[in-house]
Amino acid sequence: DTAVSQTPKYLVTQMGNDKSIKCEQNLGHDTMYWYKQDSKKFLKIMFSYNNKELIINETVPNRFSPKSPDKAHLNLHINSLELGDSAVYFCASSQGGVGNQPQHFGDGTRLSIL
Amino acid sequence: AQSVTQPDIHITVSEGASLELRCNYSYGATPYLFWYVQSPGQGLQLLLKYFSGDTLVQGIKGFEAEFKRSQSSFNLRKPSVHWSDAAEYFCAVGSGGTASKLTFGTGTRLQVTL
Repeated sequence: DTAVSQTPKYLVTQMGNDKSIKCEQNLGHDTMYWYKQDSKKFLKIMFSYNNKELIINETVPNRFSPKSPDKAHLNLHINSLELGDSAVYFCASSQGGVGNQPQHFGDGTRLSIL
Repeated sequence: AQSVTQPDIHITVSEGASLELRCNYSYGATPYLFWYVQSPGQGLQLLLKYFSGDTLVQGIKGFEAEFKRSQSSFNLRKPSVHWSDAAEYFCAVGSGGTASKLTFGTGTRLQVTL
């Protein structure tokens, strides 16, 4: 069984469009995250939710809006896509919001902006 | 602020040779340290973690890492590399507290020659 699953795996779209990425975890974790991996493989946290509450927002443009309908789901909606948004977006989850709990990652969503 | 440095962008080793990937961190308190591996097109898989206690930690796939507080290092080692170990390796430091997050290094790409 997939622990952290993201859909879609690939997303190709044009500048200016709005798109969403979905993430679900079946590990029973209460904390979920979105990370962005750029073309140089650098990974940076974007958001973190604990029990459906936003606890980390790392200076991400407000075109990015995460939503957590329940503890098992964390979606990412992006408005007015720009070329610089091209990246791989990873969802992750962990139990607890403390730094000593390993995070489990999904396989990523590769977003390409034309 | 926490940070991680992986000095080696790319390393090539022969199959059967030993491996050491370097990682240096900066963190004000006791760090929570992790090594993740990313195969092409895949998400990140946790290799091992250090929270406290024994400074030599064992992980999956025959990897180990040693925490050296005096050197602010957490180097990853494997005595004999297999061709399937070719991947991108990321060192990360985790912060404590409610708003915890992982800060990643820039990664080291491992190439294995036969």
